Amino acid sequence: GAVVSQHPSWVICKSGTSVKIECRSLDFQATTMFWYRQFPKQSLMLMATSNEGSKATYEQGVEKDKFLINHASLTLSTLTVTSAHPEDSSFYICSARDPGGAYEQYFGPGTRLTVT
Amino acid sequence: TQLLEQSPQFLSIQEGENLTVYCNSSSVFSSLQWYRQEPGEGPVLLVTVVTGGEVKKLKRLTFQFGDARKDSSLHITAAQTGDTGLYLCAGSRNSGNTPLVFGKGTRLSVIA
Repeated sequence: GAVVSQHPSWVICKSGTSVKIECRSLDFQATTMFWYRQFPKQSLMLMATSNEGSKATYEQGVEKDKFLINHASLTLSTLTVTSAHPEDSSFYICSARDPGGAYEQYFGPGTRLTVT
Repeated sequence: TQLLEQSPQFLSIQEGENLTVYCNSSSVFSSLQWYRQEPGEGPVLLVTVVTGGEVKKLKRLTFQFGDARKDSSLHITAAQTGDTGLYLCAGSRNSGNTPLVFGKGTRLSVIA
């Protein structure tokens, strides 16, 4: 299957700083990528849809000025958590659809963010 | 509103037992995916079902898509401890650029 990578796999930052998470499709081009957040023992919560070359579409309740998404190329989308606070600590996962498939999406390994 | 209802939410069984996880909706999906996720990792795609009534087998796992494409089931035969994890169903609508609709997941624990 298609491979999606994320970097970093985990990060610890101080409150008030910004953190950038990268999501890459390694063996296919993805015009659309998705960013999710997952709390312990819960399912995935969609944050935003990242579109190559245009603005991201954010889900209701997700602050677009806090969670900046940039999809500058067909293989890379970035999520920047600005002015991070402890409540932003979570597991962030991206996914991308392989255009050659039947609508399935492939997920990255996730990034564990801890804000102290 | 949870568009995909997954049941049961939690399941703890002995090794060797069989189990079935259900994913139900009142909406029609163009396709449905099943994923398995282990702690600290991203979900891994197990299967995609597209056609109503379709049955797919992956070793001891059997996936079925309902005739009306509104529901799906995952059956595991002779469960092993390695099957432990969070199982997620996700439905896709219309095109691949629309987000998947996820169920809340079934947390399976297989005890030796």
